[in-house]
Amino acid sequence: EAQVTQNPRYLITVTGKKLTVTCSQNMNHEYMSWYRQDPGLGLRQIYYSMNVEVTDKGDVPEGYKVSRKEKRNFPLILESPSPNQTSLYFCASSFTGTLYEQYFGPGTRLTVT
Amino acid sequence: QQPVQSPQAVILREGEDAVINCSSSKALYSVHWYRQKHGEAPVFLMILLKGGEQKGHEKISASFNEKKQQSSLYLTASQLSYSGTYFCGTAYNNNDMRFGAGTRLTVKP
Repeated sequence: EAQVTQNPRYLITVTGKKLTVTCSQNMNHEYMSWYRQDPGLGLRQIYYSMNVEVTDKGDVPEGYKVSRKEKRNFPLILESPSPNQTSLYFCASSFTGTLYEQYFGPGTRLTVT
Repeated sequence: QQPVQSPQAVILREGEDAVINCSSSKALYSVHWYRQKHGEAPVFLMILLKGGEQKGHEKISASFNEKKQQSSLYLTASQLSYSGTYFCGTAYNNNDMRFGAGTRLTVKP
């Protein structure tokens, strides 16, 4: 089944404790992206990747890091999480770029206390 | 650069029609429409490319006015299953996407 998977689905952590949210797709997509969703603000892009080893900042990259060492994986790293990063995070992928539909993962609900 | 969606919310009775608008201040490369149900991930509805085209998907269609940098989503003869939050996503190049704040659609029996 074609899908985007994220882990963990729920995470509660404390300020400053490094964490990684994994994202994997099995569709051989070149383009992958991370979004955060907050009430009233919709989806805001954090980082995107056009292909392996190619990543770039989206709208709200501060406090986040990403890497794309393999085509299928695109982990999101929070080196020192803060309470304002409490949010619902979605990973998405598409065949290539924004000319194609994006497939979203199930989401990761992160709470930073 | 985030597109502006209107209205923020709309309540319909089954069988009624609705229009959701999406406006951008910059020239658009493509426009995407997604629907998200509560507690779920956004699901793709359709994509429109430059050229003022209109697309249809059952009773849901959309238009893209390149000159006005606007797109509209049309839902006709709404069904209960149409309830959810609709997002437009705008791309100004092949790389990054910006999503609107969403329009919450509620369809009542």
